[in-house]
Amino acid sequence: GAGVSQSPRYKVAKRGQDVALRCDPISGHVSLFWYQQALGQGPEFLTYFQNEAQLDKSGLPSDRFFAERPEGSVSTLKIQRTQQEDSAVYLCASSVGTYNEQFFGPGTRLTVL
Amino acid sequence: TQLLEQSPQFLSIQEGENLTVYCNSSSVFSSLQWYRQEPGEGPVLLVTVVTGGEVKKLKRLTFQFGDARKDSSLHITAAQPGDTGLYLCAGAGGQTGANNLFFGTGTRLTVIP
Repeated sequence: GAGVSQSPRYKVAKRGQDVALRCDPISGHVSLFWYQQALGQGPEFLTYFQNEAQLDKSGLPSDRFFAERPEGSVSTLKIQRTQQEDSAVYLCASSVGTYNEQFFGPGTRLTVL
Repeated sequence: TQLLEQSPQFLSIQEGENLTVYCNSSSVFSSLQWYRQEPGEGPVLLVTVVTGGEVKKLKRLTFQFGDARKDSSLHITAAQPGDTGLYLCAGAGGQTGANNLFFGTGTRLTVIP
């Protein structure tokens, strides 16, 4: 596709459920980023991949968060045992430029009840 | 902790007015990017500034990178309702390396017709 796509666009989960969020980056983009955006705030960095290698996961808020990109293209962000504080928009971005200029997907809005 | 503070946080102006949004940090960045985000969508890149003192113009938008590469400003001339959105600055190449992109707190602009 022409841009970054994410699915699902909306996800409602009961507290304690596991969720998986998918990101399809722009074809050929080596770098992939996940961000968490709370309502009214700027995106906060979660993790970064270069091809299939997860080079930085310092932003993941707890060990309930796990991300993978096994073939260097599609990525999945998994959240185990969801909590209410996990409610946010999860943004994926891919990048190929020198200055990490990022192309964002529309995000997945996660609501944990 | 790297922190990019934007001001003002909220701005509501009449169509045709001029405005300036500020992005300030105590950290030095190798580059700084400005994004605009509309509801339900991911941020969209507007510009990247790299050199201290650099000024870039994009139609009615003027972006400036501070001489010390710690701050930036966005000036909009003759604002239009289509300029409404959340404006985000993001710094790259700070203390923790070139890969992370740190976003500011955002300025929510509303242009009233």
